[in-house]
Amino acid sequence: SQKIEQNSEALNIQEGKTATLTCNYTNYSPAYLQWYRQDPGRGPVFLLLIRENEKEKRKERLKVTFDTTLKQSLFHITASQPADSATYLCALGGGDSSYKLIFGSGTRLLVRP
Amino acid sequence: EPEVTQTPSHQVTQMGQEVILRCVPISNHLYFYWYRQILGQKVEFLVSFYNNEISEKSEIFDDQFSVERPDGSNFTLKIRSTKLEDSAMYFCASSVGVETQYFGPGTRLLVL
Repeated sequence: SQKIEQNSEALNIQEGKTATLTCNYTNYSPAYLQWYRQDPGRGPVFLLLIRENEKEKRKERLKVTFDTTLKQSLFHITASQPADSATYLCALGGGDSSYKLIFGSGTRLLVRP
Repeated sequence: EPEVTQTPSHQVTQMGQEVILRCVPISNHLYFYWYRQILGQKVEFLVSFYNNEISEKSEIFDDQFSVERPDGSNFTLKIRSTKLEDSAMYFCASSVGVETQYFGPGTRLLVL
């Protein structure tokens, strides 16, 4: 069955540094990959989508890369701020003509002032 | 900016009771979904709905679950006879096409 792995340990960084989060997957060929932010007790908030034929996407301080050979996506937040502290979820979709999103367990990011 | 809304925000029920969770998707969206997240676990897909019918469902979505779009704006999830293990956060999502899904704030369901 499909498996998605995100850093299980929390990522603790200093304000102003770049945070890099990893999403690895197996047994699946997604048509696209999405990153969401989730705060405690809240719903996932969409951040970025990258398709299988795209290598990199940027939006303001966010950058996503997608390597379908390595089956990996990297999510970067540059010039991180304490307000970026949250759990970041990787979600795969579009494989096997399916509409559903398959989520990773998320990586908790803590940005220290 | 348009948002998905869900009611109620919290629901406490007794085991065996029926619950209905309500969602108002974003108005021009065509695809609707329910997901759930048990405390401390991953977000899990339950069901997708398009053109007034279920397009896909997971193994979790058994005969105790049903979905309905009773009018042009609401999308509901019904659990006929709740179990303790149904306690979770339930998220509704909607999308224009099949890609980017926008999630609501969730309903926290507690089954006692």
